[in-house]
Amino acid sequence: KQEVTQIPAALSVPEGENLVLNCSFTDSAIYNLQWFRQDPGKGLTSLLLIQSSQREQTSGRLNASLDKSSGRSTLYIAASQPGDSATYLCAAFYGGSQGNLIFGKGTKLSVKP
Amino acid sequence: DAGVTQSPTHLIKTRGQQVTLRCSPKSGHDTVSWYQQALGQGPQFIFQYYEEEERQRGNFPDRFSGHQFPNYSSELNVNALLLGDSALYLCASSLDLDTQYFGPGTRLTVL
Repeated sequence: KQEVTQIPAALSVPEGENLVLNCSFTDSAIYNLQWFRQDPGKGLTSLLLIQSSQREQTSGRLNASLDKSSGRSTLYIAASQPGDSATYLCAAFYGGSQGNLIFGKGTKLSVKP
Repeated sequence: DAGVTQSPTHLIKTRGQQVTLRCSPKSGHDTVSWYQQALGQGPQFIFQYYEEEERQRGNFPDRFSGHQFPNYSSELNVNALLLGDSALYLCASSLDLDTQYFGPGTRLTVL
């Protein structure tokens, strides 16, 4: 069964810290992996998408890596700010005849001023 | 480009009732996927529509049905509502199996 797991479920850090969010997936035949941000009661905002042929993607203070062989992805947030407080979700896409995203349960991040 | 839009924003129903949620895809997209997100959980795939046909379905009962119109917009229908159907319902559009873009969601509360 294809599953995605995110650890930790919640994280609280002081402003300015660098932090890493973890995502693991059971089936390494991944087509791409996507990281999303979700504010309370809102929809999903796509942050980064990494194709299976890529090792990492960067956008501003965010850097996402993908290691297919170990079934892991990480989202690195540099110099965290209170505005980064949200739930971060990762989702695996396997392509082929399978058109759906498989999501983890998310990591709820709180950045304290 | 308005992006993916969903209506209504919020909805309150009672057990046993039926509900219809609507989604308009991003311009140029022909595929619509629906997800259910319970509180504190990740989104779960309900089904995907392409060329007005249900192409793929997740592990949801037949009470959940959908439709896609010629203009690619889509509806999600849920019959005989249960308390457990309370969730945020997310619609995502894409060009076939390419990257999915999500709408703001519809919050359904079943009393």
